[in-house]
Amino acid sequence: DTEVTQTPKHLVMGMTNKKSLKCEQHMGHRAMYWYKQKAKKPPELMFVYSYEKLSINESVPSRFSPECPNSSLLNLHLHALQPEDSALYLCASSQDSEAFFGQGTRLTVV
Amino acid sequence: AQSVTQLGSHVSVSEGALVLLRCNYSSSVPPYLFWYVQYPNQGLQLLLKYTSAATLVKGINGFEAEFKKSETSFHLTKPSAHMSDAAEYFCAVSSTDSWGKLQFGAGTQVVVTP
Repeated sequence: DTEVTQTPKHLVMGMTNKKSLKCEQHMGHRAMYWYKQKAKKPPELMFVYSYEKLSINESVPSRFSPECPNSSLLNLHLHALQPEDSALYLCASSQDSEAFFGQGTRLTVV
Repeated sequence: AQSVTQLGSHVSVSEGALVLLRCNYSSSVPPYLFWYVQYPNQGLQLLLKYTSAATLVKGINGFEAEFKKSETSFHLTKPSAHMSDAAEYFCAVSSTDSWGKLQFGAGTQVVVTP
């Protein structure tokens, strides 16, 4: 199993809503990542978790809150987002010399 | 700091023609370099990677890339384009302490014409 599974695939939320994105992998990888990708742009790193601990936060606003409950699961909690936060959110995990990406969650903030 | 630059945001090729996508890197240490492909509304799929072994790297779907230290380049090629190669292609460099901490180039959109 070389899959990284992200749910939901699409999400529309209002600026006062609270929602969560979920990412799951069963490859035994100990590093997991959140990326944000705006339209026609490359992915940009948001957070890195290593052995379930947050190791890198790329100066992401606090309205994005990551969580790693266990080695297979990564969540991204969203609260009070702005329309400019609309993007494709990609999760990835890595081991050895390769990173595996999920299909992403297309987020629209209205 | 490590970075990559992709030359050409759009490339149009005829079906059956050579595909050449250019990537140059900047790194003070031996880099780990990757090419990813992204189809519309999809995640990223690894095409191939260079991790300081063989300089000519073969990947999936008939793609290959050559690491040239003297030119600081890692260009991606495919001898014969197929319609299914139409996608966005990203060159990326990773941190040596975290394989998934990737710095991507701006991307090249490939269009394949019949």
